[in-house]
Amino acid sequence: GAVVSQHPSWVICKSGTSVKIECRSLDFQATTMFWYRQFPKQSLMLMATSNEGSKATYEQGVEKDKFLINHASLTLSTLTVTSAHPEDSSFYICSARDRGGWNTEAFFGQGTRLTVV
Amino acid sequence: SQQGEEDPQALSIQEGENATMNCSYKTSINNLQWYRQNSGRGLVHLILIRSNEREKHSGRLRVTLDTSKKSSSLLITASRAADTASYFCATRSGGYQKVTFGTGTKLQVIP
Repeated sequence: GAVVSQHPSWVICKSGTSVKIECRSLDFQATTMFWYRQFPKQSLMLMATSNEGSKATYEQGVEKDKFLINHASLTLSTLTVTSAHPEDSSFYICSARDRGGWNTEAFFGQGTRLTVV
Repeated sequence: SQQGEEDPQALSIQEGENATMNCSYKTSINNLQWYRQNSGRGLVHLILIRSNEREKHSGRLRVTLDTSKKSSSLLITASRAADTASYFCATRSGGYQKVTFGTGTKLQVIP
C-alpha cells in the first residue's frame, strides 16, 4: 500500500517555542492531506484539511494562527505548532489522499508525539 | 466533530471468544474503515467497506455495513491476547473525502 511518512515521531520542546511536523506521501501524489490530534484515551479529532497550493480549512475550534499548515507540494504538508504550551501536548497524525484514488483507503503517517514542558 | 459513535466503549473478553464492536454514523459516506491502535502507537488499517457493500471478510475479521441504519459492526473471531487494542471506525465522505473517526472501543483480551 501507499506510504505516508511523518517526522519526527516524537519531540519534546519548551513552552513558548514552535514545532514543525512534516507529512510526506512517499509513492503517490496527495492533493489533500488531513491533520488529526489525539489526546490520551480519546479518539482522533480532525484539526484541518490541507490542500496543495491553497489555504487549509480548519475545523471548528481549531486556531488557525496557532496551528499553521502549509501544503507546498503534492507530496509534503507541514503542521507548525506555534508558541506551544503544555496543553498542546498530544499525538498528532497526518493522513493523505491519493489524488488518483477515489473511495479508497486513507493512508496515515506514524504519528508525532509532542510533549511541551 | 465526531462522525461516529462506537459501542461498547470498552470490552473485556477471554481469549478464544468473539468480540463485536458497533459503529453508528450520521451522514452519507463513500466508505467506512476500521482501524486498530495499540496504546500510544499509530493506526493499523484493518478493513475497508464501501457504501455499496454489505459485508466483507478478512481473516478473522468480519465487517458489516447497513447504510439504511447508518451503522457498521466489526466482528473479531477467536480472539487472541494480541488483539488487545483500541478499535476505531472511520467514515470517508464529502468532496475532500474527509475521514472522520468514531469514539473507539477499547478491547481487552484476557489470556
